Amino acid sequence: AQSVTQLDSQVPVFEEAPVELRCNYSSSVSVYLFWYVQYPNQGLQLLLKYLSGSTLVKSINGFEAEFNKSQTSFHLRKPSVHISDTAEYFCAVTQTGANAGKSTFGDGTTLTVKP
Amino acid sequence: DGGITQSPKYLFRKEGQNVTLSCEQNLNHDAMYWYRQDPGQGLRLIYYSQIVNDFQKGDIAEGYSVSREKKESFPLTVTSAQKNPTAFYLCASSMRWSNEQFFGPGTRLTVL
Repeated sequence: AQSVTQLDSQVPVFEEAPVELRCNYSSSVSVYLFWYVQYPNQGLQLLLKYLSGSTLVKSINGFEAEFNKSQTSFHLRKPSVHISDTAEYFCAVTQTGANAGKSTFGDGTTLTVKP
Repeated sequence: DGGITQSPKYLFRKEGQNVTLSCEQNLNHDAMYWYRQDPGQGLRLIYYSQIVNDFQKGDIAEGYSVSREKKESFPLTVTSAQKNPTAFYLCASSMRWSNEQFFGPGTRLTVL
């Protein structure tokens, strides 16, 4: 069994400020980790993913996340946010091996960037 | 353009009626998924299919049914047995052994 906890349901922040969206997970087997972003009334889009290798992964729009195995965390960070970053963000874990592809999602964090 | 299409975007049905939501992908992905999204509850897996003519129940399959007769298509039927069907439904797909999922735009179902 696996689970995902997003520690903040809402994060308000001013434009150009840094932000961290926290994600903890639990699993009895190895997992892959993902962050997705959802804009209102749309589907989810992949933001970044950790499969293996370097524990720090980055997206093309300035977000980054670090896989911390000892703390079972995969927090999402951005040093300076824009109004356009306002959206809902979901952390997800997927089991590796035979059950690869079956994901568990967190409840989401609503990021609101204010001018 | 490759992608996933869901239709319709908005759907209204009377209580007690079955309704089928469409999901089509042209990404040549083997695996497809259906999720339900309710406010503040994230995504919950209804059904998934790793290959044609095979599918498995997810966490909340009761009151739903699916078929996977073609690789490109994975329709979801919301039956009258589903007690609270009003929700936002998302379809997704992935390469069979890749775990990155590609999502459709969603269908918002309202049961009156």
